[in-house]
Amino acid sequence: GAGVSQSPSNKVTEKGKDVELRCDPISGHTALYWYRQSLGQGLEFLIYFQGNSAPDKSGLPSDRFSAERTGGSVSTLTIQRTQQEDSAVYLCASSLGTYTDTQYFGPGTRLTVL
Amino acid sequence: GNSVTQMEGPVTLSEEAFLTINCTYTATGYPSLFWYVQYPGEGLQLLLKATKADDKGSNKGFEATYRKETTSFHLEKGSVQVSDSAVYFCALPGASKIIFGSGTRLSIRP
Repeated sequence: GAGVSQSPSNKVTEKGKDVELRCDPISGHTALYWYRQSLGQGLEFLIYFQGNSAPDKSGLPSDRFSAERTGGSVSTLTIQRTQQEDSAVYLCASSLGTYTDTQYFGPGTRLTVL
Repeated sequence: GNSVTQMEGPVTLSEEAFLTINCTYTATGYPSLFWYVQYPGEGLQLLLKATKADDKGSNKGFEATYRKETTSFHLEKGSVQVSDSAVYFCALPGASKIIFGSGTRLSIRP
């Protein structure tokens, strides 16, 4: 079946612009996650959606970052007024149940802020 | 809270060498433990997992045993291949999210 998909695969933007990154999770998965992976670094947790519960936003680095999940499916991560330090690969994952279940990752969106 | 410490890389081995990537954890209770792998140009994927103490997870020739006595979940493979070149992440559940190790980059020379 279809895996997690993300778009765009690459995004180059200018400092100060807003960007939107999209994630389509595996159908039927109730949990969705966003992570950030900077060059040569590990994974940094950003946000976790579980069903209809309020999302865990504890990993968002600043108020310039926000995310939505519409209809319990597609999610959009928005970064406002991008900065060069936002340059990274943004990974989305989904899981059937809670965060303790196996997570299935998308290929990521590589964001470059000039 | 729960945490995981992973062997720093990079690790470079010759083909058919024995591989060990160390992972130790601190946890309340006995959570599931995971190894994820990220091949070049691809997203992360689950390599193997163990759901309780003394369990052994295995996949693609890799093994890891959940050892509560030493709080470890070391990844091993008896004979690595060039295709095993990737970044490997040890992980466990925290209070509300999965905690990933910093990753170990493995390169295999032909």
